[in-house]
Amino acid sequence: GAVVSQHPSRVICKSGTSVKIECRSLDFQATTMFWYRQFPKQSLMLMATSNEGSKATYEQGVEKDKFLINHASLTLSTLTVTSAHPEDSSFYICSARDRVAGGYNEQFFGPGTRLTVL
Amino acid sequence: RKEVEQDPGPFNVPEGATVAFNCTYSNSASQSFFWYRQDCRKEPKLLMSVYSSGNEDGRFTAQLNRASQYISLLIRDSKLSDSATYLCVVNPNNAGNMLTFGGGTRLMVKP
Repeated sequence: GAVVSQHPSRVICKSGTSVKIECRSLDFQATTMFWYRQFPKQSLMLMATSNEGSKATYEQGVEKDKFLINHASLTLSTLTVTSAHPEDSSFYICSARDRVAGGYNEQFFGPGTRLTVL
Repeated sequence: RKEVEQDPGPFNVPEGATVAFNCTYSNSASQSFFWYRQDCRKEPKLLMSVYSSGNEDGRFTAQLNRASQYISLLIRDSKLSDSATYLCVVNPNNAGNMLTFGGGTRLMVKP
């Protein structure tokens, strides 16, 4: 299957700092990327849908000013957690959809970024 | 009511056993259904899609019952390596390509 990378894989930061997470599709172009968050023993929750060249669509309850998403190219989307607090500690996973028209296109998941805010 | 519901388990089974998981979904208009596997601290990986007629991939069999809005996954001849969390995933509509994840069912296969 297609490969999606995320960087960094793990980050520990102090409360109040901002953290940027990169999501890259390595061997395909992704018109759409998705950002998920997973708390311990819970399922993945979609945070936002990111379309190349346009503003992200955020799910209800997700603060767009706190979780800044940029999808500047067909292979890169970034999520910036601004002024992170301990409650933002979570496993952040991105996925990317191949640029193929019509029907359902499989989402390929990145390996995730584990964020710990002290 | 959650959009996609699963028994969290854990299901503890011996090697070689057959185990089945069920999942129910609330949106009757849902179009696509999948089972993903997620290992501890890893990303989910697609195990198989679920088709209306049911489908099989080696030791894994998936079934869809639209009338009752549930999906099942059957694993035969369980291996130690099958130990993981199995996520039931529903795509509410093909156009949006958004996925709704169930909470997952944890499987532990013991020697």
